[in-house]
Amino acid sequence: DAKTTQPPSMDCAEGRAANLPCNHSTISGNEYVYWYRQIHSQGPQYIIHGLKNNETNEMASLIITEDRKSSTLILPHATLRDTAVYYCIVRVFRAGNNRKLIWGLGTSLAVNP
Amino acid sequence: SAVISQKPSRDICQRGTSLTIQCQVDSQVTMMFWYRQQPGQSLTLIATANQGSEATYESGFVIDKFPISRPNLTFSTLTVSNMSPEDSSIYLCSVEELGVRGYEQYFGPGTRLTVT
Repeated sequence: DAKTTQPPSMDCAEGRAANLPCNHSTISGNEYVYWYRQIHSQGPQYIIHGLKNNETNEMASLIITEDRKSSTLILPHATLRDTAVYYCIVRVFRAGNNRKLIWGLGTSLAVNP
Repeated sequence: SAVISQKPSRDICQRGTSLTIQCQVDSQVTMMFWYRQQPGQSLTLIATANQGSEATYESGFVIDKFPISRPNLTFSTLTVSNMSPEDSSIYLCSVEELGVRGYEQYFGPGTRLTVT
C-alpha cells in the first residue's frame, strides 16, 4: 500500500514556481522521502530526496515539515518541459537492509504557457 | 548517474508466448530492480535482483511467471512467460547507486509490451 497521498493534478503558469504537496503521515523515523517525475512514455527520473532537513539541488527544492508528516517539492521556475507526473515516494527498509520504494499515484503537473 | 538501456523498447506478442527483456547498465551495480507499470497506473515492484543470488519477488509475483537472470554486475534479464493480455504493461529496469546524499535509484526507458 502507498504511504503517500498527492493531489491527482495541478496546473502552473510557465515561469512561476510549482509547489507540489505530499502527505506521508505514517512515515517512520528512518524512512526517506523521494521525488521522481515521469514524462510521458519515458522512465521515471530522479529529482531529489531527504530525511528531515530541507534539500536543494539543480532541479528542485524539497521542504519537509518538522513532524515529517508532509513535504513540498518546489520547482522554482517551471517550464513547459516540466509537464509530467510527479511521484512522492517513501523508501522503506526491509530485512537484510534491503530498500524498497513505495510508489503512490502521483500528481499530473501541467505547465501552461 | 548510471545510464541504463533496455531491449526491446517495445513489442507486440501473442498470448501464450514468452518475451525476454534485457537491461544493460554502463557501470557495475549491486542491486537491480524490475518494475511493472500497467496503463495509467503507478509503478509496482516485481522483484529485486542481486548479482550472485536468487531474485527476491514481491507478493503477487512468482519466479515461474517472471524468471530473472543476473549473470554479472551490469546486466539482467526479465522474462514474461506464458503471456496473457493482462501482462500488457511497461516493464522498467532500475538500479541503485550510492551517491553523496545517499541511495538514488535510476530507471531505464522501459519496454512497452502489448499482448494480443
